[in-house]
Amino acid sequence: AQSVTQLDSHVSVSEGTPVLLRCNYSSSYSPSLFWYVQHPNKGLQLLLKYTSAATLVKGINGFEAEFKKSETSFHLTKPSAHMSDAAEYFCVVRIGNDMRFGAGTRLTVKP
Amino acid sequence: DGGITQSPKYLFRKEGQNVTLSCEQNLNHDAMYWYRQDPGQGLRLIYYSQIVNDFQKGDIAEGYSVSREKKESFPLTVTSAQKNPTAFYLCASSITGQGAWTEAFFGQGTRLTVV
Repeated sequence: AQSVTQLDSHVSVSEGTPVLLRCNYSSSYSPSLFWYVQHPNKGLQLLLKYTSAATLVKGINGFEAEFKKSETSFHLTKPSAHMSDAAEYFCVVRIGNDMRFGAGTRLTVKP
Repeated sequence: DGGITQSPKYLFRKEGQNVTLSCEQNLNHDAMYWYRQDPGQGLRLIYYSQIVNDFQKGDIAEGYSVSREKKESFPLTVTSAQKNPTAFYLCASSITGQGAWTEAFFGQGTRLTVV
């Protein structure tokens, strides 16, 4: 069985400051890992995905995530937050067709 | 443009009625999924299908039914047996047989409200 835990339900940052959204996973096998972003009443958009090629993964809109097997973590970061980054973010772990979603982290960006 | 189309965007249902949510994809994906989203609970899997004419129950299938008669289409019926159907419903699709690295693509969702 696999699962994913997003450690913060809500994160608030000021515009221009760094963003850190935390994700820990549990899996018996080597999983795929993804981060998605969701704006209100919209579908999910892929930010980035982890493959075995590199542990530091770069995504769209300046986001990146680092896969740390020893810590079973896949935290999402961005050096400088923008107002348009305000949204809900989901960490996902996948083995084959079994995808498990975290509960989500709501990111608020203050002017 | 390739993608997933869900319709309608908003749907209102009277108690005791069945309603059907549409999901169509032109990505040529074999696998399709239905998720339910409630505030603070992330996404929960209702049903998924890996191939035409075959589908499997997810974690919360009770009160829902699906069909997969065509590769492109995976409609979800919310039946009167579903006691709390008000939620945001998301359809997704993905490639199968490509190993563990494939992401899922999502539609824009249908918000169902019971009135």
